[in-house]
Amino acid sequence: GNSVTQMEGPVTLSEEAFLTINCTYTATGYPSLFWYVQYPGEGLQLLLKATKADDKGSNKGFEATYRKETTSFHLEKGSVQVSDSAVYFCALSGRYNFNKFYFGSGTKLNVKP
Amino acid sequence: DTGVSQDPRHKITKRGQNVTFRCDPISEHNRLYWYRQTLGQGPEFLTYFQNEAQLEKSRLLSDRFSAERPKGSFSTLEIQRTEQGDSAMYLCASSLEGNNSPLHFGNGTRLTVT
Repeated sequence: GNSVTQMEGPVTLSEEAFLTINCTYTATGYPSLFWYVQYPGEGLQLLLKATKADDKGSNKGFEATYRKETTSFHLEKGSVQVSDSAVYFCALSGRYNFNKFYFGSGTKLNVKP
Repeated sequence: DTGVSQDPRHKITKRGQNVTFRCDPISEHNRLYWYRQTLGQGPEFLTYFQNEAQLEKSRLLSDRFSAERPKGSFSTLEIQRTEQGDSAMYLCASSLEGNNSPLHFGNGTRLTVT
């Protein structure tokens, strides 16, 4: 079956620190992979996506590379800001089942000034 | 594009009462999804519509839950005889057709069953 596992939080960093949030997946076939971000009191927003192996998704300084050999899609940012404090969700979309999404449990990021 | 809107934002109800939530998707999106999110967890799939047809339902969706999308536009999710375990955030999302189309989420309806 399809599932997503991501590192537990919370992750607490100082401003300008390097961020990595680990995400691994299990899927049948070749899924598309996504990172969503949820700010307090808001809905989930798409952060970035990658649709095939070795693709790199990027947005707002965040990057993630679709690694088929390690079934991973780790989220990285070189220099975090206080405004990046949020919950980050890794997700996959099964290629053949009507765009059904499977989400990880989320990783809360706290960035201190 | 006004985004996905959900109503109400919050609902407090007593156990045993019925509740109904509404979702208005992005107008050009023909796919609509309902998810449930509990504290500290990621969203869990409940059901999915393509236009007005309900194509898939999770086993999480007991017979107390029903969803409709009568004209392929807005959708409603009704929970009958609510239980405390139904307390959660109910999220609606919509997307274009296509295997790589991302979901666009509303801000959710937070249900508290007392």
